[in-house]
Amino acid sequence: DSGVTQTPKHLITATGQRVTLRCSPRSGDLSVYWYQQSLDQGLQFLIQYYNGEERAKGNILERFSAQQFPDLHSELNLSSLELGDSALYFCASSVAPGQGSSYNSPLHFGNGTRLTVT
Amino acid sequence: SQQGEEDPQALSIQEGENATMNCSYKTSINNLQWYRQNSGRGLVHLILIRSNEREKHSGRLRVTLDTSKKSSSLLITASRAADTASYFCATDTGNQFYFGTGTSLTVIP
Repeated sequence: DSGVTQTPKHLITATGQRVTLRCSPRSGDLSVYWYQQSLDQGLQFLIQYYNGEERAKGNILERFSAQQFPDLHSELNLSSLELGDSALYFCASSVAPGQGSSYNSPLHFGNGTRLTVT
Repeated sequence: SQQGEEDPQALSIQEGENATMNCSYKTSINNLQWYRQNSGRGLVHLILIRSNEREKHSGRLRVTLDTSKKSSSLLITASRAADTASYFCATDTGNQFYFGTGTSLTVIP
């Protein structure tokens, strides 16, 4: 058990809808990362937060947004969903602040949320 | 793109054999990490090697890093059926943290 909790495990929704994915990081970790994994795109970095502030942005669409709350849990909001958004969405946490510093610490991954857009 | 490329994409071996997978990347790094992913599950950290290290061991895992060639290899010795999974390298550049495309390893009992 990585200590990272993601909910829900599965989500089925229709095109055009909006969903929220939730992540609780491992105790003591201040950084939260979001990744999207699809069969044809591999593991794509979306965004990272450290102690409530955005630290790095990857290939995140404008229809997607995220935030990290004072209790350090994070939410990823996906709106105007398209069929191509169907994927596994992973949250990971670490102690390191991330961008601008050497990580030298592993990421701890949750088991993901499987999103199916129909 | 900084994203690492694993080679081979897929590997099938008999139980007890050694498995070697390689990772190449494009720019300088602070460290390189290897992760394992069982089907449909989250990634699990295996080992981290810093840019000033050349080799590291952890149990049946041996990782090498050649920064001059911008490449790393992961060796799993005496493989077991439970080692069947996808293996990813991840590079830390100090600005980003990139995952490779993965090697799918199948260990046949």
